[in-house]
Amino acid sequence: GAVVSQHPSWVICKSGTSVKIECRSLDFQATTMFWYRQFPKQSLMLMATSNEGSKATYEQGVEKDKFLINHASLTLSTLTVTSAHPEDSSFYICSAGLTPSYEQYFGPGTRLTVT
Amino acid sequence: AQKVTQAQTEISVVEKEDVTLDCVYETRDTTYYLFWYKQPPSGELVFLIRRNSFDEQNEISGRYSWNFQKSTSSFNFTITASQVVDSAVYFCALSEASNDYKLSFGAGTTVTVRA
Repeated sequence: GAVVSQHPSWVICKSGTSVKIECRSLDFQATTMFWYRQFPKQSLMLMATSNEGSKATYEQGVEKDKFLINHASLTLSTLTVTSAHPEDSSFYICSAGLTPSYEQYFGPGTRLTVT
Repeated sequence: AQKVTQAQTEISVVEKEDVTLDCVYETRDTTYYLFWYKQPPSGELVFLIRRNSFDEQNEISGRYSWNFQKSTSSFNFTITASQVVDSAVYFCALSEASNDYKLSFGAGTTVTVRA
């Protein structure tokens, strides 16, 4: 149980375009979803927390207008990287939790390359 | 300030050697959780263990064992008789009640097991 999927698993896009990444909880309803970014050889950094039906809460230094997060249902959250630039190239990982609690289930990640 | 410190950046061992990964954390909460995750080259995070602050019992799971010592704020991880498949990046993480149980990750330790 507690499976989280992400789509796509990898994406290449041109600078200036927008990219949408989906995060789905497959066998449970997630009240909270988290989005992380991981640059090569670095740790995971939390970007934002989203609760179903409400606006996401962004961590300090994360541009909310650039990284649009929508948590429209209890099983789906999306991250849209708007006007992507090469410096946005990274590994994006989502996780889902049953409540704002200690338990998080991670997706397999999405590798974004902006050319 | 870094809440989770993994002092070892890289560790290289020969197969069948034991390897211990250090993790030191910092928190003022009395209720918190500690985690270890494995990230193989594929990128997907693999959950290894969760320990809450009220349970200082050490744990063993197969070749893996964990030593939790609140007195030194440490949660160390040992792989006994390492195998090539253990090669990965290992992350220690902290989840605090005062931080809405968001995960704070350490920098990670890259373990390379040579045949």
